[in-house]
Amino acid sequence: GENVEQHPSTLSVQEGDSAVIKCTYSDSASNYFPWYKQELGKGPQLIIDIRSNVGEKKDQRIAVTLNKTAKHFSLHITETQPEDSAVYFCAASIRLTGGGNKLTFGTGTQLKVEL
Amino acid sequence: KAGVTQTPRYLIKTRGQQVTLSCSPISGHRSVSWYQQTPGQGLQFLFEYFSETQRNKGNFPGRFSGRQFSNSRSEMNVSTLELGDSALYLCASSHRDRDYVNTEAFFGQGTRLTVV
Repeated sequence: GENVEQHPSTLSVQEGDSAVIKCTYSDSASNYFPWYKQELGKGPQLIIDIRSNVGEKKDQRIAVTLNKTAKHFSLHITETQPEDSAVYFCAASIRLTGGGNKLTFGTGTQLKVEL
Repeated sequence: KAGVTQTPRYLIKTRGQQVTLSCSPISGHRSVSWYQQTPGQGLQFLFEYFSETQRNKGNFPGRFSGRQFSNSRSEMNVSTLELGDSALYLCASSHRDRDYVNTEAFFGQGTRLTVV
């Protein structure tokens, strides 16, 4: 089955700096790659996603890049703010025989933005 | 537009008991997936329901089951609870497009289950 590896597990940056989180996936059939932000006591919140036919996508301070050949995808957060502090999860989605998708998640990155 | 609603938010059960968790998806979404989140195993797929039928299943024992109602609300049941079932149980709702593929998955706040 699909396996998603995520690095680093913890990341500490100064406010205003950039943060980069990297993921690799194993199944070349994966075709959809969302990123989620999870704050303490809350469920994961979808922040950005990318489909396999696109190499890059940007939404204000957040961008995601995808390298299908290398099976890598990354989350880039620029001009980090204290409210960006949270756990970030990458995921890879594969279409299932019953229709629908199954999300396989990375192990998460605890991002801390320090003042 | 209301988000995904999960009830209850917190539960404490003893070993051997059973538990039922509820999930109301976003209006118009007919696909509901369940995930278990633990510090050791991370987020793991339990199963997915669409049009009142279980369409896909993860690698969990038969003690974990679910169902979906005609209004797309879903329930998850765990029987004969074990200590290791303590986790945050998350429900995600999605809309299926014309190619029968789920679009973005939106999660609820989760139900924190503690088994003692």
